[in-house]
Amino acid sequence: DAGVIQSPRHEVTEMGQEVTLRCKPISGHDYLFWYRQTMMRGLELLIYFNNNVPIDDSGMPEDRFSAKMPNASFSTLKIQPSEPRDSAVYFCASRGQGKGETQYFGPGTRLLVL
Amino acid sequence: AQSVSQHNHHVILSEAASLELGCNYSYGGTVNLFWYVQYPGQHLQLLLKYFSGDPLVKGIKGFEAEFIKSKFSFNLRKPSVQWSDTAEYFCAVAGRRALTFGSGTRLQVQP
Repeated sequence: DAGVIQSPRHEVTEMGQEVTLRCKPISGHDYLFWYRQTMMRGLELLIYFNNNVPIDDSGMPEDRFSAKMPNASFSTLKIQPSEPRDSAVYFCASRGQGKGETQYFGPGTRLLVL
Repeated sequence: AQSVSQHNHHVILSEAASLELGCNYSYGGTVNLFWYVQYPGQHLQLLLKYFSGDPLVKGIKGFEAEFIKSKFSFNLRKPSVQWSDTAEYFCAVAGRRALTFGSGTRLQVQP
């Protein structure tokens, strides 16, 4: 299996622009997670899905952030409009059933908002 | 609510030194505990995990961790570190709300 796939790997954009991050989970995994990592705040869970349904989005910082999972093999995290403080590495992760199952992380998208 | 505390933020060791990174969690129910490692510029990878049974868990690359329920701890250990162990280490607990990660410990191993 190719593992969790994220694109793009790097994104540089200007403040106010829309940013869309993409994730393809491991085939057969029922859960998908979006995390944000910064030096100041560490690793934060933004939102997670079970069987394509958002379960907990309490970590989404504000309405500028939205996430969708239209099918079992694809999810997007959108920031509109983007701000410099959104600069971070965004990780997607997936796992199978059972809360003790291992989460597998993607390589991340390094976002820089100028 | 579940939470994880990692008290060592930055650890510097010489090669061959022994390592112990602290991790304490807070969660009222049955827990599953994990240690992940993030090498510079890379994504998080699983080092080891505890589900049940033997509280001493062995992972990859010579790492091990001991679950001590009475202390709510899951400390990571390695008897002899190598330069290639330089990375950031995250403890995590799987409770009601998916995985909760600690703030991480940055380990720097000097040759």
